[in-house]
Amino acid sequence: DIVMTQSPDSLAVSLGERATINCKSSQSVLYNSNNKNYLAWYQQKPGQPPKLLIYWASTRESGVPDRFSGSGSGTEFTLTISSLQAEDVAVYYCQQYFSSPLTFGGGTKVEIK
Amino acid sequence: EVQLVESGGGLVQPGGSLRLSCAASGFTFSSYWMHWVRQAPGKGPVWVSRIDSDGTTTKYADSVKGRFTISRDNAKNTLYLQMDSLRAEDTAVYYCARPTAMTNNWFDPWGQGTLVTVSS
Repeated sequence: DIVMTQSPDSLAVSLGERATINCKSSQSVLYNSNNKNYLAWYQQKPGQPPKLLIYWASTRESGVPDRFSGSGSGTEFTLTISSLQAEDVAVYYCQQYFSSPLTFGGGTKVEIK
Repeated sequence: EVQLVESGGGLVQPGGSLRLSCAASGFTFSSYWMHWVRQAPGKGPVWVSRIDSDGTTTKYADSVKGRFTISRDNAKNTLYLQMDSLRAEDTAVYYCARPTAMTNNWFDPWGQGTLVTVSS
């Protein structure tokens, strides 16, 4: 199984400042034949299910604010919130869909400083 | 509006059984693979099982293989998860989740979830 490791476990960021979340996979999730990284990011607020933010490592889902961006390739990925808003307080998860079983990271909790 | 509504969770003793349901609406259910994903309190999501659009092919996480059975009724727009021989470590919120396109493997939407507690 591909193990997804996120860091940090939590971070506190001031409103309007940048938040950076890291995700590392135990093996590459880059499929060479199409040059795509099989990685998604989700946001989960308390008492709610996860919500898709990004897929293919950097493609924003429709309706997701452009302050959310994804980057990285191979085994190392980053989710960046460019200017943290109060409504962005949540836990963020990465997920690989390169191989079965699909696996998720342990989450990064983002709070307001 | 695309909607997924789970039901059937509850408290069950170790070794017991439960059947979860997920009622789908707002999209052509019979065209989509469907998944179950669970999340223990304070933990990340864990993929459980997947079924293809006509129900002929299924896949399971090793942790539930032989104990859980995924199925669907396309006439009723409903997904099921039969859970037998339940263990304490199966305690979690169980979500049904739909891929964004028919057969891909990232999910939106997810249902609101149903809590399964396995305890004596």
